[in-house]
Amino acid sequence: EDKVVQSPLSLVVHEGDTVTLNCSYEVTNFRSLLWYKQEKKAPTFLFMLTSSGIEKKSGRLSSILDKKELFSILNITATQTGDSAIYLCAVERETSGSRLTFGEGTQLTVNP
Amino acid sequence: DAGVIQSPRHEVTEMGQEVTLRCKPISGHNSLFWYRQTMMRGLELLIYFNNNVPIDDSGMPEDRFSAKMPNASFSTLKIQPSEPRDSAVYFCASSPLGVGQPQHFGDGTRLSIL
Repeated sequence: EDKVVQSPLSLVVHEGDTVTLNCSYEVTNFRSLLWYKQEKKAPTFLFMLTSSGIEKKSGRLSSILDKKELFSILNITATQTGDSAIYLCAVERETSGSRLTFGEGTQLTVNP
Repeated sequence: DAGVIQSPRHEVTEMGQEVTLRCKPISGHNSLFWYRQTMMRGLELLIYFNNNVPIDDSGMPEDRFSAKMPNASFSTLKIQPSEPRDSAVYFCASSPLGVGQPQHFGDGTRLSIL
């Protein structure tokens, strides 16, 4: 059974801090790892990672995948209160179509 | 562009009643997914369709749950009879078929069974 473990489960920081969120996984026939941000409603897509060592970047957010050690990190620099959300990590198998297995998520709170 | 549209946004009903949740995927997306999110279990896949055909329903909790996709622009998730433990947020997501296509989620239906 596929397994995704995120850490920490909860994190409280001050505006301007840099945070690193972790995601480790066990999956048969790995295809990709995805990061989503969930505020009050729908999870919104951030990144899809398929290759090791290639950083994906969008503004203050960046992510990288290590397929040898089976983990990914999501970095947020110069955090803002609008970054407060649950960050979800998910993995996709080669053989499962688009089926995703999600981790529990990291609840990030950014205080002013 | 319109995203994934779900209805109703909130549903409160008494146990034993039938509940029907609706989803309109993004136009052109051939894969549709139903998820359930709870504090205890996080986000779990219930069932997904490719080209209107159910591919994997192993996440459907029991026979009280059923899902249909009669055409490319509409899907329903039905619970009958409903029970308090079914209370959760139910999300629908869609994506194009093929490799490297992320799923896009609707805003969800918050279901409360009393």
